[in-house]
Amino acid sequence: SAVISQKPSRDICQRGTSLTIQCQVDSQVTMMFWYRQQPGQSLTLIATANQGSEATYESGFVIDKFPISRPNLTFSTLTVSNMSPEDSSIYLCSVAQLEAFFGQGTRLTVV
Amino acid sequence: TQLLEQSPQFLSIQEGENLTVYCNSSSVFSSLQWYRQEPGEGPVLLVTVVTGGEVKKLKRLTFQFGDARKDSSLHITAAQPGDTGLYLCAGQTSNTGKLIFGQGTTLQVKP
Repeated sequence: SAVISQKPSRDICQRGTSLTIQCQVDSQVTMMFWYRQQPGQSLTLIATANQGSEATYESGFVIDKFPISRPNLTFSTLTVSNMSPEDSSIYLCSVAQLEAFFGQGTRLTVV
Repeated sequence: TQLLEQSPQFLSIQEGENLTVYCNSSSVFSSLQWYRQEPGEGPVLLVTVVTGGEVKKLKRLTFQFGDARKDSSLHITAAQPGDTGLYLCAGQTSNTGKLIFGQGTTLQVKP
């Protein structure tokens, strides 16, 4: 198993600003994943964060909007850039091999 | 595009009743996981099934993986109010750790 610390746990942001979410894992992992989840709904994969290379983005998500950093094997950040109310959601980081483990999520509200 | 169809999306039952949640796909998965998520928390892994036809039991929860590894079910016997939450199935098609999530089932068990 893995223990994942994610922060902030929640934030309220003004439209047009950017928020960086941090994810710290208690062990070294090759890949980390960033998901978005509307309250009460399922998870949608944003991108896979690889250490030492650029993140791999899923269809509908682009680097300019969701830049990701992966400076080492235990840490990653996701930035939500130029936010609009449509970006209000829960953002989750995850590590996985056979099974996935998740941080507690960041609840973002854009006003 | 790989899809995992989960049903039902909402379920409200009385304490003591039984229920089954289904996940179906046209894709073959190397493994399938079931998660439970409570508000303000990340998904927590309940079980992983790997072998076609596999059945796993976790107290009052029974998980099945289809013979062709394209579908799975979660059966809860004598549901309790503590079972209330969002249940998610997620399939993995490779060892990359990338998961495809079903739409989720919101379960409410009334005392």
